[in-house]
Amino acid sequence: EVQLVESGGGLVQPGGSLRLSCGASGFTFRNYWMLWVRQAPGKGLVWVSRINGDGSFTTYADSVKGRFTISRDNAKNTLYLQMNSLRVEDTAIYYCAQSTGGGLGDYWGQGTLVTVSS
Amino acid sequence: DIVMTQSPDSLAVSLGERATINCKSSQSVLKSSDNNNYLVWYQQKPGQPPQLLIYWASTRASGVPDRFSGSGSGTDFTLTISSLQAEDVAVYYCQQDYATPLTFGGGTKVEIK
Repeated sequence: EVQLVESGGGLVQPGGSLRLSCGASGFTFRNYWMLWVRQAPGKGLVWVSRINGDGSFTTYADSVKGRFTISRDNAKNTLYLQMNSLRVEDTAIYYCAQSTGGGLGDYWGQGTLVTVSS
Repeated sequence: DIVMTQSPDSLAVSLGERATINCKSSQSVLKSSDNNNYLVWYQQKPGQPPQLLIYWASTRASGVPDRFSGSGSGTDFTLTISSLQAEDVAVYYCQQDYATPLTFGGGTKVEIK
């Protein structure tokens, strides 16, 4: 059974940093693209970033480019999202998702809430 | 960026009746190399993460009941729930995975009338 468990969310001040983690199990992690998607409270889904299986290819939404960094450790079956220079508008639930082709979320974690506020 | 527009924003349907949700993309998401439409549908129930329903516009994901069906090509797509069940109350999102940035529709909330 595919399981994805996000962690690392919390309350941070504007301009601060957080690192989110997503632990994966139940599948061969290195064989899959992974996505980060966020959802502001009461709002819709917004794609943030994606990474291919060996970590050699990454892409980002313009809204986070230069501030967020996606990475993975295939030995630890873990996906990361380093978030720097956080803004109030980054407040959201952040979901990680397994992706067969790199473009859609086959399986999703339960999400971790990031709140950026002073 | 490809803009995804869903309609309606919400709809209320009686149990056992049909629900239809529309999704329009600002440009074609049909890939000529494989003749697939790169259009995905998700279901998100309250307090839960999204769940994949349909990919390639009309292929049901594993375990998805056959009352859910997707249709359309190019820029216009439809998700149909043929006989609404109580457990189908949710917000439904379309998404294009044709090009980055990956983009989602605004969502359609389905309720019981």
